[in-house]
Amino acid sequence: ELKVEQNPLFLSMQEGKNYTIYCNYSTTSDRLYWYRQDPGKSLESLFVLLSNGAVKQEGRLMASLDTKARLSTLHITAAVHDLSATYFCAVAGSNAGKSTFGDGTTLTVKP
Amino acid sequence: ETGVTQSPTHLIKTRGQQVTLRCSSQSGHNTVSWYQQALGQGPQFIFQYYREEENGRGNFPPRFSGLQFPNYSSELNVNALELDDSALYLCASSLGGFEQFFGPGTRLTVL
Repeated sequence: ELKVEQNPLFLSMQEGKNYTIYCNYSTTSDRLYWYRQDPGKSLESLFVLLSNGAVKQEGRLMASLDTKARLSTLHITAAVHDLSATYFCAVAGSNAGKSTFGDGTTLTVKP
Repeated sequence: ETGVTQSPTHLIKTRGQQVTLRCSSQSGHNTVSWYQQALGQGPQFIFQYYREEENGRGNFPPRFSGLQFPNYSSELNVNALELDDSALYLCASSLGGFEQFFGPGTRLTVL
């Protein structure tokens, strides 16, 4: 059974600081996804990582994938308040619609 | 292009009742997946429908059932509601399985 673990589960940061969220998964999978969820809202797709060594960046967020270590990271650079949200990683085979999600990392960015 | 829509937004039911949730997929998407997200947890895969047939199921009992219609919209039915069924139910659509797009969700409360 595929298991996906994120850490930390809760993260409080000051604006301007850098931090990394980790996502470990238990079995070989084809794809790794990162999503953002604001309170009471649905999930917004951030990144799709397809292969070992894949790196994608959007604004202050950068995601990477190491399939050999079964590890993905989401790095936050110079955090701003607008990044406060819950971030989920999810792992899937060839079908994104059958994803297994981690429990999420709730990020709070304070002034 | 219309995104994924879900109805109703909120629903309150009592234990033992039955509920039907609805989802309209994004234009052109032929695959719909349903997820249950309990408070403070990541979404859990319930099942997926592809071209009106069930195409995979997660670890949910048979009282969770679904349908997909020729226009690719979908329903999730839950019989004999239990308190633990209280959650946000998310529908996601995709084409080809590469990436899925989530609807706004239905918040179900079981009293």
